[in-house]
Amino acid sequence: NAGVTQTPKFQVLKTGQSMTLQCAQDMNHEYMSWYRQDPGMGLRLIHYSVGAGITDQGEVPNGYNVSRSTTEDFPLRLLSAAPSQTSVYFCASSYLPPGLGQPQHFGDGTRLSIL
Amino acid sequence: QQQVKQSPQSLIVQKGGISIINCAYENTAFDYFPWYQQFPGKGPALLIAIRPDVSEKKEGRFTISFNKSAKQFSLHIMDSQPGDSATYFCAASIRAGSYQLTFGKGTKLSVIP
Repeated sequence: NAGVTQTPKFQVLKTGQSMTLQCAQDMNHEYMSWYRQDPGMGLRLIHYSVGAGITDQGEVPNGYNVSRSTTEDFPLRLLSAAPSQTSVYFCASSYLPPGLGQPQHFGDGTRLSIL
Repeated sequence: QQQVKQSPQSLIVQKGGISIINCAYENTAFDYFPWYQQFPGKGPALLIAIRPDVSEKKEGRFTISFNKSAKQFSLHIMDSQPGDSATYFCAASIRAGSYQLTFGKGTKLSVIP
């Protein structure tokens, strides 16, 4: 019953560093997505994927890169970290896209600070 | 451009009272409206959802009211309990042609004994 697993839970980076946030799900879900949550801003979609090999941009994609080589994994890469990317990042998955009434299963987040 | 506007930003309700959170949307193509509940340190979890072909949906103490003409929907929590203290997000999506879920900014609910 792992669901959606995000690693690491906490991370501190220096400006300009790169890193990869990991997301894995064991529910055989086709649809996966990344959100960032900032105080007073709600959740904003960064990138999403509708299956292995297929990704697309969300509302705030700049500075982030994704790939989907397997159904289970959907890593998020920060290419050159900036203080504006300090946030809590959530990965979510579902069998079908959200508009078809599928509940999104969220991980517990990665709290990222950029100094 | 924010497509889903949520209010209030924070809400304090006494135990046993009714909590009401409101959302308004602009895009008339939206046809799926879920509410998510988030506890501190956790990811959001689906609470209840509605489609515009019904005006109300009830699950236990939680009710969604939907007003299509006004482009508004709201969450009512009856007999609010301290365990309901959390952040609530409304959201909207389009059934066909979109893979995105648009969230409101959230309401932090505190239920005091």
